[in-house]
Amino acid sequence: EAGVAQSPRYKIIEKRQSVAFWCNPISGHATLYWYQQILGQGPKLLIQFQNNGVVDDSQLPKDRFSAERLKGVDSTLKIQPAKLEDSAVYLCASSFHRGMSEQFFGPGTRLTVL
Amino acid sequence: RKEVEQDPGPFNVPEGATVAFNCTYSNSASQSFFWYRQDCRKEPKLLMSVYSSGNEDGRFTAQLNRASQYISLLIRDSKLSDSATYLCVVNITHSGYALNFGKGTSLLVTP
Repeated sequence: EAGVAQSPRYKIIEKRQSVAFWCNPISGHATLYWYQQILGQGPKLLIQFQNNGVVDDSQLPKDRFSAERLKGVDSTLKIQPAKLEDSAVYLCASSFHRGMSEQFFGPGTRLTVL
Repeated sequence: RKEVEQDPGPFNVPEGATVAFNCTYSNSASQSFFWYRQDCRKEPKLLMSVYSSGNEDGRFTAQLNRASQYISLLIRDSKLSDSATYLCVVNITHSGYALNFGKGTSLLVTP
């Protein structure tokens, strides 16, 4: 079974530029999550989707971050404009449904903002 | 105060040793508890769920104390392949199933 796919794997940009990340969850998984993991810390949830609807985006910095999951399958996360403190690994995860099911993580996108 | 707190380590132990990690959480409404493992520059992967009655999976034993808001992970007979960061994870089902991660405890098992 294919896992969670993410691209690109690495991205280097300058501050104030824009960047977008893509995620394709495991087939059949209704719930999709985006996490930000800063070096030395645990992942922090940015946004959670159930199918194509947002369940929780309380920790998403909405002035610069946006995310969508238009057809309830793959998702994109965008940062515009980027700041130095956005340097982190952006992890996408999916689960079969909300509730007790295990979350499976993709390999992440490592973003460096110069 | 952070919602999930762990001793960051690093814990350096010889092969065959027993090592224990501790974790505390601040929100008494927390419902579900897990240990995830994260290898260097890799994604987190579920190691085991933690149940009130305690649970064991081979060399790994997890315990939960709801009264003290405390979770533990015990690894017996450590292997070199156990070297990783162990993340304590707590869920509060108020609006979904978002996981709150601790910073992780780093373990290095040496020959």
